[in-house]
Amino acid sequence: DVKVTQSSRYLVKRTGEKVFLECVQDMDHENMFWYRQDPGLGLRLIYFSYDVKMKEKGDIPEGYSVSREKKERFSLILESASTNQTSMYLCASGRSYSYEQYFGPGTRLTVT
Amino acid sequence: AQSVTQLDSHVSVSEGTPVLLRCNYSSSYSPSLFWYVQHPNKGLQLLLKYTSAATLVKGINGFEAEFKKSETSFHLTKPSAHMSDAAEYFCVVSRTGTASKLTFGTGTRLQVTL
Repeated sequence: DVKVTQSSRYLVKRTGEKVFLECVQDMDHENMFWYRQDPGLGLRLIYFSYDVKMKEKGDIPEGYSVSREKKERFSLILESASTNQTSMYLCASGRSYSYEQYFGPGTRLTVT
Repeated sequence: AQSVTQLDSHVSVSEGTPVLLRCNYSSSYSPSLFWYVQHPNKGLQLLLKYTSAATLVKGINGFEAEFKKSETSFHLTKPSAHMSDAAEYFCVVSRTGTASKLTFGTGTRLQVTL
């Protein structure tokens, strides 16, 4: 079974803090994705990576950056957290030739 | 650009009655379409997928969906709802370009009552 794990289920941070969300997959997938999920908006793509050190902006990259130094690990960074970044963050991975994505359990981030 | 519209934000059914969750898509090419399910406090799980083979697609837990190109629809159905089906359901369409990206609908919350 594909397993995608995220470093925290719940996280509370203060405005202005630097926040790291980590995601690890164990299936040697080429693609990895970060989404945020908000009620009534579905999932929106923040960033994705199609190979080590390769990344592209998604639909809502403002205020976020990412890092992929190893194939299995994809980190989302909030350089200076703001209250409007309070959300559920979901990581996913998938093969380069397939649209099927496998999701982690999510991190619920609250910025106060 | 590809998009999906989930026509109902909330659907409530009684246990044992049929489920219908509606989805329309927009795409300039022949897309792949998916339904994902998210149970409370859980990650998303793939329910079923359409990738240009049979238009009637069967998924897990008794769900199925029919791809209708003429209607640009991909509605999700189940003959008999179970309490464990209560969850949020997302209709998803593939995008062109790098890395096999997806576009998600806004979700339909399914409530199942006794």
